[in-house]
Amino acid sequence: QKEVEQNSGPLSVPEGAIASLNCTYSDRGSQSFFWYRQYSGKSPELIMSIYSNGDKEDGRFTAQLNKASQYVSLLIRDSQPSDSATYLCAVMITGGGNKLTFGTGTQLKVEL
Amino acid sequence: NAGVTQTPKFQVLKTGQSMTLQCAQDMNHNSMYWYRQDPGMGLRLIYYSASEGTTDKGEVPNGYNVSRLNKREFSLRLESAAPSQTSVYFCASGRQIRNTEAFFGQGTRLTVV
Repeated sequence: QKEVEQNSGPLSVPEGAIASLNCTYSDRGSQSFFWYRQYSGKSPELIMSIYSNGDKEDGRFTAQLNKASQYVSLLIRDSQPSDSATYLCAVMITGGGNKLTFGTGTQLKVEL
Repeated sequence: NAGVTQTPKFQVLKTGQSMTLQCAQDMNHNSMYWYRQDPGMGLRLIYYSASEGTTDKGEVPNGYNVSRLNKREFSLRLESAAPSQTSVYFCASGRQIRNTEAFFGQGTRLTVV
């Protein structure tokens, strides 16, 4: 079992719709969770961090965390073509040392 | 406003050659990381450093060595490059290991022929 899992996609949504990206993790002791956006040929860019159960909103982005289910999600409201990118889920894995571990990413395509 | 700076941006090596990838951050961060990114594999952690003077292995350390030269700099060395090390390498830094975000450099695209 991978430590951080994401569907690779691509996930296609129409412009203006809500995009929902999901991530599961294996380490029950993890406390820190992050979403990064990566455009093709560019470096990952942090868009959200979340540390407590529940929702955290920042503009059009909402991160959701459920530690009991070991599940993190990212919602993007009013999706725009500029949101088309790969979204990487990252978890600070505490078992065996503190390692910032990434999923393989979900490719999002926002269609006109 | 430099953030995390990696050098070089591009490099071509012949099999068996050695090289060092440089990374420096100006954000006074304690932790630093080296990742490699291959198509379909996501970002895989090679080595990380929680603080100046400490380094730990990540998921794929074989064939690499690191040096945390000081708080600002964390270098990655390939002693004898192999074609399997063709990848994009990213350096990142964060304030502390727990409850902090990591910020990335622009990456080094390495090709080993």
